[in-house]
Amino acid sequence: NAGVMQNPRHLVRRRGQEARLRCSPMKGHSHVYWYRQLPEEGLKFMVYLQKENIIDESGMPKERFSAEFPKEGPSILRIQQVVRGDSAAYFCASSPLNPGTGALFIHYGYTFGSGTRLTVV
Amino acid sequence: AQSVTQLGSHVSVSEGALVLLRCNYSSSVPPYLFWYVQYPNQGLQLLLKYTTGATLVKGINGFEAEFKKSETSFHLTKPSAHMSDAAEYFCAVSELVTGGGNKLTFGTGTQLKVEL
Repeated sequence: NAGVMQNPRHLVRRRGQEARLRCSPMKGHSHVYWYRQLPEEGLKFMVYLQKENIIDESGMPKERFSAEFPKEGPSILRIQQVVRGDSAAYFCASSPLNPGTGALFIHYGYTFGSGTRLTVV
Repeated sequence: AQSVTQLGSHVSVSEGALVLLRCNYSSSVPPYLFWYVQYPNQGLQLLLKYTTGATLVKGINGFEAEFKKSETSFHLTKPSAHMSDAAEYFCAVSELVTGGGNKLTFGTGTQLKVEL
């Protein structure tokens, strides 16, 4: 049973180019999360998606960043016109559909992918 | 808003010594707490989690953590460090978000070094 698959593992882009990061969740998982890890920092939440829906994008920069999780295929994190400050490790995580709500919600620990390390030169 | 503070960005112990990594949280609701480990150039792996019930939680690789509400802490311990424990450790708190998911807020991490 494959885990969360991210590709590419390493991505180098020149300033102004576009970066596309892909994430395939674990089989049976319907929730996808993207996190960014800047050097010497912890992981920061960016966006939470379900199939064909962005649920929470409160951590996503307002410009140049977008995410999608289509009905078919992987989730994509897209960064347009990259700048040096976008250099970071980007992690995707997935979790299953939660059978509970409210007080019955199960706080899953996510399954993380190995990340994409983006370097902007 | 929930937050996590990890005291000590770098901790160094001798092989065989006790490992203690500190985590304090801030939450307006009963917290759900996690510890993750990250090896170089890899993703995060779940070590253990506290949701409800027993406050002493056992995880993988001999690690355990104790939830102390009065101290708002969730420190991670291991009785005897092994060289293979050298990694970065992250504490996180979970909160519900709209749509049936949960969002993890991470601390800034503690780099554990194990010396011979």
